[in-house]
Amino acid sequence: DAKTTQPNSMESNEEEPVHLPCNHSTISGTDYIHWYRQLPSQGPEYVIHGLTSNVNNRMASLAIAEDRKSSTLILHRATLRDAAVYYCILRVVSGYALNFGKGTSLLVTP
Amino acid sequence: DTEVTQTPKHLVMGMTNKKSLKCEQHMGHRAMYWYKQKAKKPPELMFVYSYEKLSINESVPSRFSPECPNSSLLNLHLHALQPEDSALYLCASSQEPGRGTGELFFGEGSRLTVL
Repeated sequence: DAKTTQPNSMESNEEEPVHLPCNHSTISGTDYIHWYRQLPSQGPEYVIHGLTSNVNNRMASLAIAEDRKSSTLILHRATLRDAAVYYCILRVVSGYALNFGKGTSLLVTP
Repeated sequence: DTEVTQTPKHLVMGMTNKKSLKCEQHMGHRAMYWYKQKAKKPPELMFVYSYEKLSINESVPSRFSPECPNSSLLNLHLHALQPEDSALYLCASSQEPGRGTGELFFGEGSRLTVL
């Protein structure tokens, strides 16, 4: 499986934008970039995913580098509820397996 | 209904007990998953079922026995577990690859303690 590298932790002020980076230099052409987050005492929840183009949804934006070797999850205005572990995961388009890496623990302070 | 329901939420068992974890979804998903998560670690994939057939087994010890009796239900039968098997067990479901977003929907997990 292609691997991802994320910072162990990041901190943000409430109502500020947050940029969560992910490196995936060994990504293949059939890998989608998925982001999930896990709030304390809950199961992971899907945030966003993309292949080549930048993507937006109600939760976040995903910016993908032109060479696809890195991506950034953007939370436009962090709230206290966004404090969670954020996982960047590569998933083969035809595959079932979703293998989590270590993730980034995001702390949001008032 | 976009929920995955897991029962029980908490389970304490001895090393000689036999118990089961249950998972249910009514989203029409044909793929179901078991993950194990130790404290402060990421979830680790254990099993994947596709159309009620075991598709992936990540070399999980035989003391964990999955079962998918129908497309809505997934069980994990536990027997002769060790204290190091204590963890949060997460169930998830999704559409088949190539359909929809491929999003996995997770339950809140069953927290297992083995004494």
